[in-house]
Amino acid sequence: KNEVEQSPQNLTAQEGEFITINCSYSVGISALHWLQQHPGGGIVSLFMLSSGKKKHGRLIATINIQEKHSSLHITASHPRDSAVYICAVSMGYGQNFVFGPGTRLSVLP
Amino acid sequence: NAGVTQTPKFQVLKTGQSMTLQCAQDMNHEYMSWYRQDPGMGLRLIHYSVGAGITDQGEVPNGYNVSRSTTEDFPLRLLSAAPSQTSVYFCASSRRGLVAFFGQGTRLTVV
Repeated sequence: KNEVEQSPQNLTAQEGEFITINCSYSVGISALHWLQQHPGGGIVSLFMLSSGKKKHGRLIATINIQEKHSSLHITASHPRDSAVYICAVSMGYGQNFVFGPGTRLSVLP
Repeated sequence: NAGVTQTPKFQVLKTGQSMTLQCAQDMNHEYMSWYRQDPGMGLRLIHYSVGAGITDQGEVPNGYNVSRSTTEDFPLRLLSAAPSQTSVYFCASSRRGLVAFFGQGTRLTVV
C-alpha cells in the first residue's frame, strides 16, 4: 500500500508570502493530484501530475518521480488561499486515490 | 453541466437504520468512487466502479454496499448504521488520465 506523507501539517503565513507544501509517497504511481478543501468541506482538484511541473495562476506544482516527491507552491499568498491542501496518488487504471493527511494553511491579512 | 451531485448534504440516523447516499454525475465519466473522511485519518476509499455493472471494494468497505446500474449514478447504501460510520462522505468521478471531480460531501451522524 502506498503511504503518502505531507509536510507541514499546519502552516500560518502572512499575506504575500511564498508558500511551499511538500508531499512524499512510498511506491510508484501513475499520477499525483493536489486537492484543495475549503472550510465548509468541498474538495476541488488543483493539479494532476505525472511528471515535471504545472502552473495555474499563482499556484505551481512540481513532481520528481525518481525521488517520489512533489511540492505545491503558492506565490503572493492571499487570505482566500486559506484551506486544507491534500496530496493524493493514484496507481493504475481507476484512479483509486491514496490520500495524504492534508496541510492546513491559514493566510493572515 | 452540474458536475458531481451528492445528496443529502446532512443526515442523522439512529443506530440500525439504513439509508442510501446518492451520487450522480453528468460528465459521462467511467470511474466513480466513494470516500469517507474522518478527523486525523484523511480520506479513505470505500467502494469504486470502473463502469456500469462493475464495482469493487476499497480500503474500508464493511457495512456499505454499492451498485452501478447506469454510468451516471453510483449510490452508497448503509445497511445497518453504526456510530462508527459517523463521517463525512465524498463521491468522486473521473475519466482515465484526467482530474477527478468531487461532490460537496454528506455529513452523516449516527446516534
